[in-house]
Amino acid sequence: GAVVSQHPSWVICKSGTSVKIECRSLDFQATTMFWYRQFPKQSLMLMATSNEGSKATYEQGVEKDKFLINHASLTLSTLTVTSAHPEDSSFYICSAVHRDRWLSGANVLTFGAGSRLTVL
Amino acid sequence: KNQVEQSPQSLIILEGKNCTLQCNYTVSPFSNLRWYKQDTGRGPVSLTIMTFSENTKSNGRYTATLDADTKQSSLHITASQLSDSASYICVVSLNNRLAFGKGNQVVVIP
Repeated sequence: GAVVSQHPSWVICKSGTSVKIECRSLDFQATTMFWYRQFPKQSLMLMATSNEGSKATYEQGVEKDKFLINHASLTLSTLTVTSAHPEDSSFYICSAVHRDRWLSGANVLTFGAGSRLTVL
Repeated sequence: KNQVEQSPQSLIILEGKNCTLQCNYTVSPFSNLRWYKQDTGRGPVSLTIMTFSENTKSNGRYTATLDADTKQSSLHITASQLSDSASYICVVSLNNRLAFGKGNQVVVIP
């Protein structure tokens, strides 16, 4: 089945530094990937939609200069948290869209395992 | 308004009991509906996936149903276990659009 890999799974950084999180589709090509953040005991919050070869589409309230998304290839999207601050500490999850051949090519969504960011 | 509404928002059940989670959607038509389980601190994992023509799909103690007429899906957990404590997310797919609910938070207590 489709696998989405996120790296790193956890990261601790100092306030003011930038952190990059990678999201890779391992056995399929993903023209569309999504980035979410999740605070403790809360639901997933969609941050942005990442489309290969074009600019990401950000949800309302998400600072695009703060959260840089690059989707340079069909198997890789990156999220860079720039000048991270403690309030950016959260669980970041990506997901990728692929066509499921067992469902007549319907679009399905596979999630990564998530990346926990702690900003000191 | 969110296109996918899940209820109850949270649920506490005794170990061994059954429970049912609801997902109401307004996305129509749609190509598939999927239930995911998300353990704390982990990414969501797919439990079941149904096309619009399917009525039910099982995965062990998890059974999902779909009523396309009323635009409702449910996820039934049988004989709950402590490991079932998690958030359950309903995602509806239509072409390149995906709509997902905020999740049902389930806590199973001994």
